[in-house]
Amino acid sequence: DSGVTQTPKHLITATGQRVTLRCSPRSGDLSVYWYQQSLDQGLQFLIQYYNGEERAKGNILERFSAQQFPDLHSELNLSSLELGDSALYFCASSVGAGGAYGYTFGSGTRLTVV
Amino acid sequence: GEDVEQSLFLSVREGDSSVINCTYTDSSSTYLYWYKQEPGAGLQLLTYIFSNMDMKQDQRLTVLLNKKDKHLSLRIADTQTGDSAIYFCAESQSNNDMRFGAGTRLTVKP
Repeated sequence: DSGVTQTPKHLITATGQRVTLRCSPRSGDLSVYWYQQSLDQGLQFLIQYYNGEERAKGNILERFSAQQFPDLHSELNLSSLELGDSALYFCASSVGAGGAYGYTFGSGTRLTVV
Repeated sequence: GEDVEQSLFLSVREGDSSVINCTYTDSSSTYLYWYKQEPGAGLQLLTYIFSNMDMKQDQRLTVLLNKKDKHLSLRIADTQTGDSAIYFCAESQSNNDMRFGAGTRLTVKP
């Protein structure tokens, strides 16, 4: 157990739907990062929050949004889902605003859009 | 943008040494990392090295950094079947986001 908790582990939904993925960072970590991992695109950085504020944005689609709550857990909202959104979504956390000592990853949410 | 590149596949025999290579383009990279991803799992930080170091050893793992050539390698001694996984190289500057390579799939044959 890495200390980063992601729920749900698996999600199957239809095109056009909206889902919410949840992440609880490791205790003491202030940063949360979201990544998308697909077979053809590798590990793609989506967005980072640090202590409740958005800090960095990567290749995140406009249909996707995220937030970090006062208790530091984070949610990634994916809407108007398309078949191509099927992927593994990872959350990672770190103590500081950057990755100086590495990230701790959760075990991921596997999203299947049918 | 800045890139991290690694070969996609490596196959070795059990008991041999594995060497996974990585190149990066950002000369201001401060930290370099190796992560391991087993099937169905998240990425696990194996080790990291600061850019002012040339080498770091941790049990069966040896990391070599050639900062001039922007080349990082991970050597796994006495490779076991349990080492079969995808290995990701990553780099970051202090307080900046981490950039990952595409991952090298290591297959260990008995």
